[in-house]
Parts: sequence; structure tokens; C-alpha cells
Amino acid sequence: GAGVSQTPSNKVTEKGKYVELRCDPISGHTALYWYRQSLGQGPEFLIYFQGTGAADDSGLPNDRFFAVRPEGSVSTLKIQRTERGDSAVYLCASSLGQGGRAFFGQGTRLTVV
Amino acid sequence: DQQVKQNSPSLSVQEGRISILNCDYTNSMFDYFLWYKKYPAEGPTFLISISSIKDKNEDGRFTVFLNKSAKHLSLHIVPSQPGDSAVYFCAASGGNTPLVFGKGTRLSVIA
Repeated sequence: GAGVSQTPSNKVTEKGKYVELRCDPISGHTALYWYRQSLGQGPEFLIYFQGTGAADDSGLPNDRFFAVRPEGSVSTLKIQRTERGDSAVYLCASSLGQGGRAFFGQGTRLTVV
Repeated sequence: DQQVKQNSPSLSVQEGRISILNCDYTNSMFDYFLWYKKYPAEGPTFLISISSIKDKNEDGRFTVFLNKSAKHLSLHIVPSQPGDSAVYFCAASGGNTPLVFGKGTRLSVIA
């Protein structure tokens, strides 16, 4: 597809479980971002990749959160030992270069019960 | 500490009138500003942007104004249409940093 694709669109998991969220950026976009949006809030930055490397992971809330982008294209956000407070919409975005206009996927709604 | 602030959580406007959405920022390193629009169950979609070297950018019914001295920007939509009803996010970046978003303003355009 032409846009940013995120799977799954919805994920319900039990507290304490491990989850993986996938993002397929727009082809050719070198920059990839993960954001988290809670109810009534704006998207909150988590981590940014330039190519395969994490250029800025300062937004990851704690060490239960980890993300990879091994081949500089698809990225996976991994959350260990999920907690109810992790429930949110996780958004992925990509852009041609650093900074600038980012294109978002539709998000993955994560619910931890 | 919110670097990008949208102080109005919601705004209601009559169809055909002007909608004005406001945004303030605190980080003087920000040099690129964007507005995104979000419908329920969809990701944010880019609407319009402005670089700090300009004070106005226009695209059809949408105009963004930037006042650097006041660290303030606004989005004007005229005429407003019912399809414009959505949540609008202001975002900013400085240099090559990731976008920082405000909390959003929910616009309702009433027919």
C-alpha cells in the first residue's frame, strides 16, 4: 500500500503478557517514529529511527518498552510485562528525512485487561 | 512541561463561518510547525505547515499564521464545513527533532 500500515489494528492482552506491534512505513522513508496517544491527549513521542538505528529513544517510558527496525524498513514495538496503564493507541509515522512532515498509520489500539 | 499548548479543548462553529484554532509553544528552538487533523479510529493526517522564516502559509480554505515573537500560531479555516469536524493537533519541531504535539482541539462545525 501507499501509506503507513500498522498491525494489528486492535490488540487486547492480559496484564503481564508480552505484545508486539508492527509498523510498515512508506517505501523509501528513512525516518520512522513511534508515538503513543492516550484518551484526551496528543500523540506522545516514544522513539525515532533513522535507518536501522534508534536516533532518539528518550520517550520510552521504561525498560519494558523496546523497538527495533533491523533492515531499515519495518519496525516492531515490543512491550514486556504489560500493565493496564499501557493501554493506549500506538501510532507509527514515517518521513523522508529527519524532522519535517510525518505520515501516520491508523494506529494500534492496545487494551491491557 | 508542555512545550506545545492548545488551550481550547473544543470549539463549535457554524457552517460557513471562520474557525480559528490556536496554539502556543515555549521552545524557541522550534522552527517548523504543522497542523494535523484526526478523525475517530484514524491516524492523524497532515493538513498544513509553516516554517519559521514565514509568517503565513495558505492552502485553499486553510491558512496558518505564525507569530514568532509571541510564540503563537493559529489555523484559520474559512468557510468552515461540516466535514471539517475533527480533532486538530498543532505540532512543532526544531532542527531534526521529532514532532512535539499539543493535546488537540475538537472542532465541531454545525450545519
